[in-house]
Amino acid sequence: AQKITQTQPGMFVQEKEAVTLDCTYDTSDPSYGLFWYKQPSSGEMIFLIYQGSYDQQNATEGRYSLNFQKARKSANLVISASQLGDSAMYFCAMREGSNFGNEKLTFGTGTRLTIIP
Amino acid sequence: EAGVVQSPRYKIIEKKQPVAFWCNPISGHNTLYWYLQNLGQGPELLIRYENEEAVDDSQLPKDRFSAERLKGVDSTLKIQPAELGDSAVYLCASSYTRGGEGTQYFGPGTRLTVL
Repeated sequence: AQKITQTQPGMFVQEKEAVTLDCTYDTSDPSYGLFWYKQPSSGEMIFLIYQGSYDQQNATEGRYSLNFQKARKSANLVISASQLGDSAMYFCAMREGSNFGNEKLTFGTGTRLTIIP
Repeated sequence: EAGVVQSPRYKIIEKKQPVAFWCNPISGHNTLYWYLQNLGQGPELLIRYENEEAVDDSQLPKDRFSAERLKGVDSTLKIQPAELGDSAVYLCASSYTRGGEGTQYFGPGTRLTVL
């Protein structure tokens, strides 16, 4: 079974609209971390936001927020007021275990987001 | 603060030739990772170092790939000999893994083309 599933290969969104990128995960470990990265055409993976499995509140970083639904094993990224510069590939990733010895990240296949002016 | 530095950014070689990639992690980061990213896919871990020690190299094709991290800072990933299927982006990342989120920060990658 896939550990990280991103079901939207591509999305087109009008500028200034909000967008939700879906991510579901699969793990039996009670301790894990979920990450979202942005990869523009230049190739660099840019860290956006982190959610720990024991965090009580949804993570937010500026225009980015993470809609964490633990029971559904869902960690969707929400981008508010989208901008042309948001056009990129977006990857969801998971780290299983605590941050003391098992730091491998497993990535999904990504969603290509295109913002339309 | 400087980010993860990788060189070269692009490399084109013929098959059977050797190639090497270099990575300088963020200062103070004890863990260094090499990932392979094929076109249209997410990155996959090749090897992880904790300081000088390779603690996870289970996905590294050891017949042709090798890596080292001397003095626990810079790292070099080598392929010898390169094959057509090695064409991909090689990403280096680093993190501080003694508590906290352990977020991995990535370099710009090296895009390898094997002809």
